[in-house]
Amino acid sequence: QKEVEQDPGPLSVPEGAIVSLNCTYSNSAFQYFMWYRQYSRKGPELLMYTYSSGNKEDGRFTAQVDKSSKYISLFIRDSQPSDSATYLCAMSARSNDYKLSFGAGTTVTVRA
Amino acid sequence: AAGVIQSPRHLIKEKRETATLKCYPIPRHDTVYWYQQGPGQDPQFLISFYEKMQSDKGSIPDRFSAQQFSDYHSELNMSSLELGDSALYFCASSSMGLASFGPGTRLTVL
Repeated sequence: QKEVEQDPGPLSVPEGAIVSLNCTYSNSAFQYFMWYRQYSRKGPELLMYTYSSGNKEDGRFTAQVDKSSKYISLFIRDSQPSDSATYLCAMSARSNDYKLSFGAGTTVTVRA
Repeated sequence: AAGVIQSPRHLIKEKRETATLKCYPIPRHDTVYWYQQGPGQDPQFLISFYEKMQSDKGSIPDRFSAQQFSDYHSELNMSSLELGDSALYFCASSSMGLASFGPGTRLTVL
């Protein structure tokens, strides 16, 4: 079983809908939680970064971390066709030199 | 802001040839990671360096080796290339757990 589980989708939503993505993990040592967006054939781009539990909002994006449930989420409000991409969750711990553990990625398509 | 630079962006090699991929991390980032991403797959960790010393090793084949130089750039050397080595190779650099990725090198082995 992988350390980080993420439903690969694909997920298709109409423009303007809320996109909800999530990951679960098994390693309780993880402290840093990231969401990356990856367009086809491009490098992953850091979207959101959260340390420990809590919520973080940046424009249309909200990241939530629930360490007690080992569950993280990313919400995209008022989704746009330009949000169509693969979203990867990643997490790391100081105890293993911050090596990133990735989820499988969820492919999202926002239909105009 | 400066980003992670990778070269070349595209590389075509034949089976059994050798390839060298280069990565230039963000200035003052102390850790460099190499990842391999096959089609439709999440990035797979290969190897990392902290302050020019190898810090961790993942699923990196023995045919591959890497090092980080005094100027902090890193090179991934791949020998005896196989068809299955065709993939996107990403370098990432980080400071305090926050990693940024380069644009990747697309390696095609024919």
